[in-house]
Amino acid sequence: EVQLVESGGGLVQPGGSLRLSCAASEFTFSSYAMSWVRQAPGKGLEWVSSISASGRSTYYADSVKGRFTISRDNSKNTLYLQMNSLRGEDTAVYYCAKLGGSGWPRGYYFDYWGQGTLVTVSS
Amino acid sequence: QSVLTQPPSASGTPGQRVTISCSGSSSNIGSNTVSWYQQLPGTAPKLLIYSNNQRPSGVPERFSGSKSGTSASLAISGLQSEDEADYYCAAWDDSLNGVVFGGGTKLTVL
Repeated sequence: EVQLVESGGGLVQPGGSLRLSCAASEFTFSSYAMSWVRQAPGKGLEWVSSISASGRSTYYADSVKGRFTISRDNSKNTLYLQMNSLRGEDTAVYYCAKLGGSGWPRGYYFDYWGQGTLVTVSS
Repeated sequence: QSVLTQPPSASGTPGQRVTISCSGSSSNIGSNTVSWYQQLPGTAPKLLIYSNNQRPSGVPERFSGSKSGTSASLAISGLQSEDEADYYCAAWDDSLNGVVFGGGTKLTVL
């Protein structure tokens, strides 16, 4: 069964930085695109970013563009999200998700999700 | 304000059939496939429907999806108490160049 385990969340001051990691197992990580999706407390789901299997193609939500960077290390089966210039509105549970489908990126969907890691931005 | 519009709540009694709608535009649902996710209280979302109407293995046949034009629907037949959850639709948006979600529908089983 696919396993995705996020880590790196915590409390950070506004303007600070944090790097999230997602350790993947039980599937061929280097063959699949991946994403980050977040959920603010009591709110709905918000897509953050996606990265192709090779890592050469990335997409970002306007709300994080220029501040967040998605990357992957296929040799370590790990997905990352570098978050800079953090704001209060970035407070959320961040989920790592495996992408299924074809026709990158339009035909893809989130077929497996991690348990999430909480990021709190507050002074 | 979400790009995809879902009713904030829905309800039904055990055994009933309920439908949750998801309304979009030509740049998202109108030109791309729709997926649906179920989020039980306190847990991560789970894929329920992909490519408009396909069920992953393990998802009961009670769950079905459809799409017409710029709208999509999730139907749950034979409603059960364990179906009480939040449901989200999603699709790629060609104008925003990213994935958009509906605001979510909280389903209550009375």
